[in-house]
Amino acid sequence: DIQMTQSPSSLSASVGDRVTITCRASQSISSYLNWYQQKPGKAPKLLIYAASSLQSGVPSRFSGSGSGTDFTLTISSLQPEDFATYYCQQSYSTPEVTFGPGTKVDIK
Amino acid sequence: QVQLVQSGAEVKKPGASVKVSCKASGYTFTSYDINWVRQATGQGLEWMGWMNPNSGNTGYAQKFQGRVTMTRNTSISTAYMELSSLRSEDTAVYYCARRGVNWNWFDPWGQGTLVTVSS
Repeated sequence: DIQMTQSPSSLSASVGDRVTITCRASQSISSYLNWYQQKPGKAPKLLIYAASSLQSGVPSRFSGSGSGTDFTLTISSLQPEDFATYYCQQSYSTPEVTFGPGTKVDIK
Repeated sequence: QVQLVQSGAEVKKPGASVKVSCKASGYTFTSYDINWVRQATGQGLEWMGWMNPNSGNTGYAQKFQGRVTMTRNTSISTAYMELSSLRSEDTAVYYCARRGVNWNWFDPWGQGTLVTVSS
């Protein structure tokens, strides 16, 4: 099974900050890495797919990079609506997929 | 717009079964796999399995093998997830999600169904 880790598990940041979240896979997953945003009481929302492709309708301050085992999600200038939990997901071993444990971004 | 709408919250006793529905609209139901993911309160996302609505083929996470059944009714564009032998640890929000074809992303997701298992 492919295991996913994320760091940090949580972070505090201010509006306007640049935020970077890291995701690591236990083996190479090429670019089969997706990022989701989840707000309390809501379903996850797809932000980035294929490691770096921005989902339609997602603000351009979100970006993704990486391939192989190491990936990053960057928010270039944190906005009030970005405070949420972010999950990475490997889809290399489809149909089985694995999610990272999540990174909670809250207000400093 | 593409949308998945799930059935309402359920309260079940230990040992019972629950069946959650997921109605698709805005796209051809049989063209995309449906996946099920659950989330216990304050916890992360746990993948349960998938179903191909066209063929009815399914695949389940090993943890749920023997307890979960995923089915569909193509005439009403609805997928179902049934979990049996419920225990308190199954208390969670259950989500359905459509899987993309090329990069296997999950989008959209249903709004979630809270299943509470309590005696």
